This record gives sequence, structure tokens and C-alpha cells, in this order.
Amino acid sequence: DTEVTQTPKHLVMGMTNKKSLKCEQHMGHRAMYWYKQKAKKPPELMFVYSYEKLSINESVPSRFSPECPNSSLLNLHLHALQPEDSALYLCASSRKPGQGAGNTIYFGEGSWLTVV
Amino acid sequence: TQLLEQSPQFLSIQEGENLTVYCNSSSVFSSLQWYRQEPGEGPVLLVTVVTGGEVKKLKRLTFQFGDARKDSSLHITAAQPGDTGLYLCAANSGGSNYKLTFGKGTLLTVNP
Repeated sequence: DTEVTQTPKHLVMGMTNKKSLKCEQHMGHRAMYWYKQKAKKPPELMFVYSYEKLSINESVPSRFSPECPNSSLLNLHLHALQPEDSALYLCASSRKPGQGAGNTIYFGEGSWLTVV
Repeated sequence: TQLLEQSPQFLSIQEGENLTVYCNSSSVFSSLQWYRQEPGEGPVLLVTVVTGGEVKKLKRLTFQFGDARKDSSLHITAAQPGDTGLYLCAANSGGSNYKLTFGKGTLLTVNP
């Protein structure tokens, strides 16, 4: 089973709203990631959690706030977003962070976010 | 900054034709993954290659990792409309680097 589950699949929110994206994996992976993807472009890394600790923040604006409650769950809290933040948000996981060869990253189906 | 150059960026072919997508870098990678993505969905892993010179086959898809682990190719034989999608190569440099370097993607359209 190589499944990463994301909810919701679609989200429309106003610029003053607070919402959250959720991600879950039960593969025992210890690295979890948030990526942002615009149409027809490759995913862009936002955050990396390694063993439930934030290890990389790619200079993401503070209106995006990640949270890793346990080794299976990853959340992305959204507040005061801008229309240009509309995109596909992808959660991903891998067995062990930074283990190099063969440490494949598995993606969820994504959450389509529209900010109005 | 490690770069992964993927080509071609766009490819429109007829059903039954063959095609090859290339992924090249001046850097050595410890592993390289190929993903296929349909509109509105997340990237789906096709294969991971790890060993220089490695060749892997997945039905009509053949993946190759260069001997020096700096480049890779994806060859599709007798393409079908169901092969339509965005193909992404992504490489891992290993060590403590958690980042996956992505190519810009190849948007493939197979016309019936």
C-alpha cells in the first residue's frame, strides 16, 4: 500500500477565512512534505517534516502554517490567503528523509484550493 | 543549485507512435523517479531507478538511468490515448538533502 490520502479534494475560501488541508499516510514513512503546484508546472517544495519535526521551510509566507500532530498526519493551516495562492497543494511522504538512493517520494492526489 | 533539464516540454503524437522523453543534468543523483500526472490529480510514481546503467520496463514503458547517474530517459512504445498526461522526472541527490529536484515536465498528448 503506497497511499497518501488528502482532504478535502477541493476547497474554495475567501481571503479572510481560516481553513486547513489534511494529509494522512499509514506506510510508516518518517518524512512528510507539502508541495504547491500551478497548472502544467512541476511541484514546488514548501515544507519538509522529518520525524515529526519541521526541517525545511522554503521561505513560505506565514499565512501558510504546517503542523505534524503525529507520524501519520500532516496539516496545512491556511489564513488570510491571496488569490495568487490558488493552486494544487500536494502532500507527499517518503520512508526516511535524506536517505538518498531509493528513498522514493509518494504523492497524494492533492487538494485544489481556490482563493476568492 | 542542481538543475534537471527535461525535454521535450510538449509532445503531440498519433496513437501507435513511439516517443522518448529525456532528463539530463550535470549533477550526479543517487536516484531518479519518473511520475505521470493527469489534470487535477497528484503525480503517480511510475518507477525509481537507482543503479547507473539500470533499465526498467513497465509494460510499454522503458526507463533507463545513465551510467554516470546524471541522465535518464523514458521511452513509450506504441503510445495510446491513455498515456496522455504530464510526465515528470525528479531526482534525489542523497545524503541529508531532503529536496527532490524536478524537471519542468513533458506534456504528452496522444491523439486517437
